[in-house]
Amino acid sequence: GAGVSQSPSNKVTEKGKDVELRCDPISGHTALYWYRQSLGQGLEFLIYFQGNSAPDKSGLPSDRFSAERTGGSVSTLTIQRTQQEDSAVYLCASSLEGQFSGYEQYFGPGTRLTVT
Amino acid sequence: AQSVTQLDSHVSVSEGTPVLLRCNYSSSYSPSLFWYVQHPNKGLQLLLKYTSAATLVKGINGFEAEFKKSETSFHLTKPSAHMSDAAEYFCVVSPYSSASKIIFGSGTRLSIRP
Repeated sequence: GAGVSQSPSNKVTEKGKDVELRCDPISGHTALYWYRQSLGQGLEFLIYFQGNSAPDKSGLPSDRFSAERTGGSVSTLTIQRTQQEDSAVYLCASSLEGQFSGYEQYFGPGTRLTVT
Repeated sequence: AQSVTQLDSHVSVSEGTPVLLRCNYSSSYSPSLFWYVQHPNKGLQLLLKYTSAATLVKGINGFEAEFKKSETSFHLTKPSAHMSDAAEYFCVVSPYSSASKIIFGSGTRLSIRP
């Protein structure tokens, strides 16, 4: 079946502009995660959605970052007033939440954001 | 509290020789442990996972990992490296009870010499 998809694949924006990144998780996956991967770095957790529960926003680096998940499916990560340090690859993952799933995550291809 | 440490940021081996990528973890829960691989300009792909069943876990592409609770380790091995194994590898710890506490290691870059 279809995997996790993200759009756009690449985004170049000017400093100070707002950007929206989209993630379509695998159908039926109740958990959705956003991560940021800076050049040569590991993954930095940003935010986690699980069903209708309040999202875990503990990884968002500043109040310029926000995310929503509509209808328990598609998610949008918004970065307001972008800064050069926001340049990174933004990864989305989904998982089938369940007691025995071991929370295996399926990753999208990422959105490469470049702030000029 | 949880943490995961990948002991080597870069490992280089010759093609056909064994691969060892080291990972140590700390968890106050009974964790699930994963290894993911990221090839250049590609998304992350699950190699294998440990979820409290057999301690020796076999994954894709000939990789395997052994969960050693006494050593709090989950090292990734492969008997014979192939050029296509060159990639970034991430060790991941996840508490069995909370998906939001998933932690990724900093990654190990594996290079294969011809």
